[in-house]
Amino acid sequence: QKEVEQDPGPLSVPEGAIVSLNCTYSNSAFQYFMWYRQYSRKGPELLMYTYSSGNKEDGRFTAQVDKSSKYISLFIRDSQPSDSATYLCAIYNDYKLSFGAGTTVTVRA
Amino acid sequence: DTGVSQDPRHKITKRGQNVTFRCDPISEHNRLYWYRQTLGQGPEFLTYFQNEAQLEKSRLLSDRFSAERPKGSFSTLEIQRTEQGDSAMYLCASSFTTGANTGELFFGEGSRLTVL
Repeated sequence: QKEVEQDPGPLSVPEGAIVSLNCTYSNSAFQYFMWYRQYSRKGPELLMYTYSSGNKEDGRFTAQVDKSSKYISLFIRDSQPSDSATYLCAIYNDYKLSFGAGTTVTVRA
Repeated sequence: DTGVSQDPRHKITKRGQNVTFRCDPISEHNRLYWYRQTLGQGPEFLTYFQNEAQLEKSRLLSDRFSAERPKGSFSTLEIQRTEQGDSAMYLCASSFTTGANTGELFFGEGSRLTVL
């Protein structure tokens, strides 16, 4: 069993739609929950992280963690064509990032 | 540009040849990581250094792989006797880590390896 499972894509949405991305994880010892964004042919870049259950907002992005069900989500409001990328959930513990497989999102203008 | 830089960006080689990738981390970052990413998958951890010490290696890092970080600055990842299964994007990342580590890694753009 993989440490992190991510809902497969791809997702194609019209501009302005809400994008919902989901992952589950297996090890309750994980401490930090991350979302990375990866544009084509680029390295991943950190979008946001949280370490507790609940919601964290950053502009149009909201990260949600439910430790009781080992479930993490990312919501993108008012999606823009520039949000078109692969979104990777990741769990961090001590030194290691364990990534999901990624969901490719395309926002149509 | 003060980000993580990797070289070469793309390497095509024949099976059985050796290849070496170089990573220059963000200056003063004390941790350096190597990840491997194949098409349609997320990056997978290979190894990491705290300063010049290699502290952890994944089971993915077979005996044909060796990584070094002399003097705690740049790092090299060498793959000997390449196989077609080694074809992947090799990502380097760095971070400045103190007591509390948040998992904020800064990735380079990767070195893509194609083994024919």
